[in-house]
Amino acid sequence: QQQVKQSPQSLIVQKGGISIINCAYENTAFDYFPWYQQFPGKGPALLIAIRPDVSEKKEGRFTISFNKSAKQFSLHIMDSQPGDSATYFCAAFSSGGYNKLIFGAGTRLAVHP
Amino acid sequence: NAGVMQNPRHLVRRRGQEARLRCSPMKGHSHVYWYRQLPEEGLKFMVYLQKENIIDESGMPKERFSAEFPKEGPSILRIQQVVRGDSAAYFCASSPPSGVANEQFFGPGTRLTVL
Repeated sequence: QQQVKQSPQSLIVQKGGISIINCAYENTAFDYFPWYQQFPGKGPALLIAIRPDVSEKKEGRFTISFNKSAKQFSLHIMDSQPGDSATYFCAAFSSGGYNKLIFGAGTRLAVHP
Repeated sequence: NAGVMQNPRHLVRRRGQEARLRCSPMKGHSHVYWYRQLPEEGLKFMVYLQKENIIDESGMPKERFSAEFPKEGPSILRIQQVVRGDSAAYFCASSPPSGVANEQFFGPGTRLTVL
């Protein structure tokens, strides 16, 4: 019930294409869903986050879509660039009790020129 | 405006030795979290601390691992009698005082290698 399932494990996209990464959760107590970007040898950096009271949030080329009834959320990267090549992690957080982020297993994105 | 600082960045220990990992939170942040990342896996929560208090250690192994966040100085994650399975990247995150605990900012990590 504490898990966040992320797919795909790896993704190859051509420059200019759309990258889509999906996550699903079970615990309805989760109320904050961030996405982190991690480059090799670096710590995760917060990319964008959403709360379940909205269905979509957009920041530049990055968009989160959220489906509360299906308990799923996804990250869309529009006009993907080689510099976007990194590992992306979805996460979930419950402000009602747990103070820890529950992370998905990660998606390794490679954007080819 | 320094971010979360961790040291050392890389640490090599032989089996049976002790490993000490340090974390200085962002300025103004009073909450510290430790996560462990095994190769090709996501981050797993270990412990959540506030100054001089352990709030949640549900992710900490029962033996050999301990954490502290003293009134003065950095947070310390200590691993005693390390084994090869402890080899991983250990990340510290910090967040502002209560109310925005979900906004966790991560440090660059300490990569522990146990020989």
